[in-house]
Amino acid sequence: KAGVTQTPRYLIKTRGQQVTLSCSPISGHRSVSWYQQTPGQGLQFLFEYFSETQRNKGNFPGRFSGRQFSNSRSEMNVSTLELGDSALYLCASSWQGNQPQHFGDGTRLSIL
Amino acid sequence: DQQVKQNSPSLSVQEGRISILNCDYTNSMFDYFLWYKKYPAEGPTFLISISSIKDKNEDGRFTVFLNKSAKHLSLHIVPSQPGDSAVYFCAASANAGGTSYGKLTFGQGTILTVHP
Repeated sequence: KAGVTQTPRYLIKTRGQQVTLSCSPISGHRSVSWYQQTPGQGLQFLFEYFSETQRNKGNFPGRFSGRQFSNSRSEMNVSTLELGDSALYLCASSWQGNQPQHFGDGTRLSIL
Repeated sequence: DQQVKQNSPSLSVQEGRISILNCDYTNSMFDYFLWYKKYPAEGPTFLISISSIKDKNEDGRFTVFLNKSAKHLSLHIVPSQPGDSAVYFCAASANAGGTSYGKLTFGQGTILTVHP
């Protein structure tokens, strides 16, 4: 059974640009959650999507947004990139948002 | 406010001995707890979970204990193996009431090193 797939694995951007990250959940999973991992803040919840609707949101600015498609694949967008956005972005899926969540290997975003 | 805390940044254990990783939480709404293992350059891998209606859950070499009155949980690995060397994260969620869909709150992690 294929796991959670995130693309790309690595990305380098400059300040002010925008970026889109992609996540394909485990087949049959309808809930997709996104997390940011940094050395200082650890793993922090960004938002969760279920059936193309955002059901839950963490404490991040509006520059961070996402969406989910009818096949449950999800994308995350960050606009007007800042140096502090450099992080590992992790996507996790579960059947209905219940636990446990299963994680992808992440996208490493570096801002220059 | 850090709602889930892992106070030990690292733990070193000999192969074959028991590893005990600890986690404390402050939010009394948390009702489901999980442990994840993470290797470098990989995403977290789910290990074991426990609901607040239980105080113990076992899966092979892994056992999680929950003490609700102390708001404390621990992960026991017996026997420890060198392949268990990784970062271990404790996580919690508040499923009751349906207000925390898909949200896990993580501790800062504990680096476990198992020496041969």
